Amino acid sequence: GEDVEQSLFLSVREGDSSVINCTYTDSSSTYLYWYKQEPGAGLQLLTYIFSNMDMKQDQRLTVLLNKKDKHLSLRIADTQTGDSAIYFCAGSNFGNEKLTFGTGTRLTIIP
Amino acid sequence: KAGVTQTPRYLIKTRGQQVTLSCSPISGHRSVSWYQQTPGQGLQFLFEYFSETQRNKGNFPGRFSGRQFSNSRSEMNVSTLELGDSALYLCASSPGLAGTDTQYFGPGTRLTVL
Repeated sequence: GEDVEQSLFLSVREGDSSVINCTYTDSSSTYLYWYKQEPGAGLQLLTYIFSNMDMKQDQRLTVLLNKKDKHLSLRIADTQTGDSAIYFCAGSNFGNEKLTFGTGTRLTIIP
Repeated sequence: KAGVTQTPRYLIKTRGQQVTLSCSPISGHRSVSWYQQTPGQGLQFLFEYFSETQRNKGNFPGRFSGRQFSNSRSEMNVSTLELGDSALYLCASSPGLAGTDTQYFGPGTRLTVL
């Protein structure tokens, strides 16, 4: 099955950019997602990218996909205190409905 | 449009009991998936229902079961509860088959087994 790995913690100063990284093992992953989870809450979909894309930008969020290295990243520009949360990357395959999640990266904002 | 709703939000049960959790998907969504989130195992897929049929199942024992109704609402049942079943149970809905459509998550039901 697919393994998805993320570093557990990231601390960033307010106003700087945050880059959260994710590596995955299954090269057939068709869709790759970033979800945000705030304390006591469910998962909020932030953005997603199809495997035939290299980059996707959505306001302060930029997703980069390196299929050769099986590496996915999420860049948050001008990080704010409200961005403090756990960020999960997840992948799924066309025709296989389950999402496989990474371990999550806890983003802490330093004032 | 209202989001995915889950009831109840919190539950406390004792070992050996059974529990039923409910999920109402976003209006028009036909696929409902369930996930278990624990500190030790992270987020793990339980099962997915589409048009009242279970289409995919994760690696969980038979004590975990589910169903989906004609209005796409779904229930998940856990029988003979164990301490290790304490977790946040998340439900997600998508318009079609979850592998082809983005999944939107509810706030979860936090189950504590004593």
